[in-house]
Amino acid sequence: DIQMTQSPSSLSASVGDRVKISCRASQAIRDYLNWYQQKPGKAPKLLIYAASSLQGGVPSRFSGSGFGTDFTLTISSLQPEDFAIYYCQQTYLSPEAYAFGQGTKLEIK
Amino acid sequence: QVQLVESGGGVVQPGTSLRLSCAASGLRSRTYAMHWVRQAPGKGLEWVALISDDGSNQHYADSVRGRFTVSRDNSKNTVYLQMNSLRAEDTATYFCAKDPGGYYSRFDYWGQGTLVTVSS
Repeated sequence: DIQMTQSPSSLSASVGDRVKISCRASQAIRDYLNWYQQKPGKAPKLLIYAASSLQGGVPSRFSGSGFGTDFTLTISSLQPEDFAIYYCQQTYLSPEAYAFGQGTKLEIK
Repeated sequence: QVQLVESGGGVVQPGTSLRLSCAASGLRSRTYAMHWVRQAPGKGLEWVALISDDGSNQHYADSVRGRFTVSRDNSKNTVYLQMNSLRAEDTATYFCAKDPGGYYSRFDYWGQGTLVTVSS
């Protein structure tokens, strides 16, 4: 089974900081990588799909990069509403393997 | 505006069954592949099942295959998740999510979730 590993598991940062969250796939997935944001008690929200495509309505401070096995979500200037948990997900292999990463909790420093 | 609303969650005993529903609106008479994703309390996201836009294809996570069945009624814009032989480890909030299709699968709209608790 494919494994999606995010790092770090948690991160403390301040408003205005530039933040990067990594996601590594255990096998190559080309650019079939999505990023979601989840706030407490809420459903996840799609931020980035196809590794680097910004979902409509998502602020441009969010960006994604990577190909193959290594991917990065970057938030260029943290805003108060960005403190949440972020998940990556691969959709290259069969649906049975639409695995999510374990999540990265972004907290206020 | 697309809206997905799950219902049917509750507290059930191990070994029993439950059927979840996901009612969609705002889809402008189009149908889409739909997914179920679950999240155990305090844990991460786990993909559970997928049903194609016309209902002809279904896929399941290993953890639920043979116990859960996904179906849909496009005349009612509703997707279902029939859960049988429930176990304590099935306790989670269950979300339905829409897949817009195309080359890259992704989940662009989600419901608010419905909580299933399996406990004796």
